Amino acid sequence: QQQVKQSPQSLIVQKGGISIINCAYENTAFDYFPWYQQFPGKGPALLIAIRPDVSEKKEGRFTISFNKSAKQFSLHIMDSQPGDSATYFCAANPGSNTGKLIFGQGTTLQVKP
Amino acid sequence: DTAVSQTPKYLVTQMGNDKSIKCEQNLGHDTMYWYKQDSKKFLKIMFSYNNKELIINETVPNRFSPKSPDKAHLNLHINSLELGDSAVYFCASSQGQGASYEQYFGPGTRLTVT
Repeated sequence: QQQVKQSPQSLIVQKGGISIINCAYENTAFDYFPWYQQFPGKGPALLIAIRPDVSEKKEGRFTISFNKSAKQFSLHIMDSQPGDSATYFCAANPGSNTGKLIFGQGTTLQVKP
Repeated sequence: DTAVSQTPKYLVTQMGNDKSIKCEQNLGHDTMYWYKQDSKKFLKIMFSYNNKELIINETVPNRFSPKSPDKAHLNLHINSLELGDSAVYFCASSQGQGASYEQYFGPGTRLTVT
């Protein structure tokens, strides 16, 4: 119930292509869904986030699609660039006011030039 | 200027030892966190403090004890280190304790227990 399942574990995309990472959750109390980007040797950094009352949010080349009924959300990276090569984590807040985030297992993205 | 800093960056120690990791943030944030990232990169929250008050205390062995001397600092002390404690520990901070406040992560401390 308190899990976020993320797939795929790794992803290779050609430069200019679309990268898609999927996440699913079970607990309907989850109410905030951020995506974090982590480069090797660095801490994670917030990329984009969405609340369940919105079905899509776009920031530049990054888009979150949210399907509340299916309890799934995904990150789309348009026009993927080699500089996007990193590990991406989806996360969810379990409806608490504590800032607690439950993270997915992570997806390592490699964008080939 | 480093927003969230941790010391040390690397820590190698033997089983049974006691060690501390320090974290400082200069963002003026009220809330600070400790996360553990294991060898498979799985990231899990351990603790959070808001204005020096413990808010989140996940299922963590009581060998781990956080201490917040003021709202800009959150230290992590680990007693009787075990092999399974080897991981990267991240400190983070946010302006407030709600989930929608962005969490800013430090660079991490890689702990290796031999």
